[in-house]
Amino acid sequence: EVQLVESGGDLVQPGGSLRLSCAASGFTFSIYSMNWVRQAPGKGLEWVSYISGSSNTIHYADSVKGRFIISRDNGENSLDLQMNSLRAEDTAVYYCARDRYGDYVSDYWGQGTLVTVSS
Amino acid sequence: EIVMTQSPATLSVSPGERATLSCRASQSVSSNLAWYQQKPGQAPRLLIYGASTRATGIPARFSGSGSGTEFTLTISSLQSEDFAVYYCQQYNNWPPATFGGGTKVEIK
Repeated sequence: EVQLVESGGDLVQPGGSLRLSCAASGFTFSIYSMNWVRQAPGKGLEWVSYISGSSNTIHYADSVKGRFIISRDNGENSLDLQMNSLRAEDTAVYYCARDRYGDYVSDYWGQGTLVTVSS
Repeated sequence: EIVMTQSPATLSVSPGERATLSCRASQSVSSNLAWYQQKPGQAPRLLIYGASTRATGIPARFSGSGSGTEFTLTISSLQSEDFAVYYCQQYNNWPPATFGGGTKVEIK
């Protein structure tokens, strides 16, 4: 059974940093691309970042480019999102999601972790 | 960036009735269109990809159609568990792979 479990969400002050993690199990992690998708309270879905299985291809949404860094450890079956220079508008539930075929379609999602940016 | 527009924002439907949800792209996305379902407090679930192919385990009452810029998700006979928010997502031109704003299907 595919499982994705996010952790690391917290309350952080504007300008601060936070590192999210996603533990994957139930599939061969190294061959799948992964996405981070976020959802602000009461709002819709926003794709944040993408990383290929080998980490050779990485993409970011313009809204987080230069502030967030996606990475993965295939030996540990884990996906990370380092979030720097956080802003109030980064407040959201952050989901990690398995990418179906490297085409940005997410076929399995974690339950999400809440990041709140507030003073 | 391709903008995805969903309509209506809210759809009130009685159990057993048919629901038709629309999604429009600001430019052609071919058939590279996915639909997701999200229930309150839960993560999204993939329903449809390739505009019309049901994902694993999705009931046949869910069907997708369209290509280019106009797409439709139809739920043929609404069950109680189908009341949720539905999002479309284009994955033809990325990054970013953009989502629509969602349609909430509520009980009439």
